[in-house]
Amino acid sequence: DTGVSQDPRHKITKRGQNVTFRCDPISEHNRLYWYRQTLGQGPEFLTYFQNEAQLEKSRLLSDRFSAERPKGSFSTLEIQRTEQGDSAMYLCASSLAYGNEQYFGPGTRLTVT
Amino acid sequence: DQQVKQNSPSLSVQEGRISILNCDYTNSMFDYFLWYKKYPAEGPTFLISISSIKDKNEDGRFTVFLNKSAKHLSLHIVPSQPGDSAVYFCAARETSGSRLTFGEGTQLTVNP
Repeated sequence: DTGVSQDPRHKITKRGQNVTFRCDPISEHNRLYWYRQTLGQGPEFLTYFQNEAQLEKSRLLSDRFSAERPKGSFSTLEIQRTEQGDSAMYLCASSLAYGNEQYFGPGTRLTVT
Repeated sequence: DQQVKQNSPSLSVQEGRISILNCDYTNSMFDYFLWYKKYPAEGPTFLISISSIKDKNEDGRFTVFLNKSAKHLSLHIVPSQPGDSAVYFCAARETSGSRLTFGEGTQLTVNP
């Protein structure tokens, strides 16, 4: 039984560079979510997919951010032209389509220098 | 606007005693509530949840109480154990929604 996995676990990048994170959900889960967490705060919703369709995006998701889930399995989150304010923990979660509980991965810690 | 608030950043209790973590919300459209536990360098782990049609849900040492009229929920841990030391997040979901809205978290420390 494998849970949600995320790669990489840590990423350090220079301001202005592009970064991409990957999330592999629990295999039978057709919903996949991205959240961002900064120090001292709870996770904040970014976007979610049902299968390959991106159904909702937060206003936090600026045009420098793009997420994909091309085959309805794993997802990628790309941040272009990173800024220091992008430094955060990026969390992925998955759930069944009509499930109430979301199960989180370990997160990717992004540091922009 | 903070729709889910956990007003206590930290809580310290003795092993064996009860831990009570509190959460308040403002959005009347929230109909499902969850508690997550988070250890450092890990993602949040689902603990227990409650639907708005109930006022109590129990799972082992964990009980969640919901007071809809007060827009308040609480998590009780009895008895508390040192391994319970973690950050606890309250989260809520709107009717027919998918996103979870989280509180700021409460750091629970259980002292041996």
